[in-house]
Amino acid sequence: SQKIEQNSEALNIQEGKTATLTCNYTNYSPAYLQWYRQDPGRGPVFLLLIRENEKEKRKERLKVTFDTTLKQSLFHITASQPADSATYLCALLTSGGSYIPTFGRGTSLIVHP
Amino acid sequence: SAVISQKPSRDICQRGTSLTIQCQVDSQVTMMFWYRQQPGQSLTLIATANQGSEATYESGFVIDKFPISRPNLTFSTLTVSNLSPEDSSIYLCSVGNGGMGSPLHFGNGTRLTVT
Repeated sequence: SQKIEQNSEALNIQEGKTATLTCNYTNYSPAYLQWYRQDPGRGPVFLLLIRENEKEKRKERLKVTFDTTLKQSLFHITASQPADSATYLCALLTSGGSYIPTFGRGTSLIVHP
Repeated sequence: SAVISQKPSRDICQRGTSLTIQCQVDSQVTMMFWYRQQPGQSLTLIATANQGSEATYESGFVIDKFPISRPNLTFSTLTVSNLSPEDSSIYLCSVGNGGMGSPLHFGNGTRLTVT
């Protein structure tokens, strides 16, 4: 069966360090992979999109990698700040015409001052 | 990006009643979706709200339980009918422009508690 796996345990790091979150998938052939941020009591907010033929994408302090051989995406936040504390969701869109992403359950990031 | 207003933000309802959630967008959008997010779980797509026609439901969701209206390109409602405690969840409205890979934009959700 198709699965999107994100670590259910919260990631705790110190301010200034790099946070790395993982998204693994099985039985998918994603054409696109998206990352969203969700704060408590709010809806998810889109952060980054990476295509299957792209290895890496950057936006300010954010970096996403996409390895279709390993079936994995890594999401990095450099120089992390307490304001980066949130839940981060990955979402996959498969080739074949669907424009609706399928979401992982997210990983909570807690950045300690 | 589109600004999405969702009402109510939360409600407590009795078993057997219904709750209607409204989603208003500040601009015309192609695609509108309704998601459910149960505690600790991923976002689950309930249905795509189609303007002027019946919604398209995902497996496990039926129109009798989750009737949806979309009278125009900026507004939709989701009703959760015949409530049971298992319906306690967060319900989210989402919009997109329909392009492959294009991001979804979400409302802040409605937290429903059924007693």
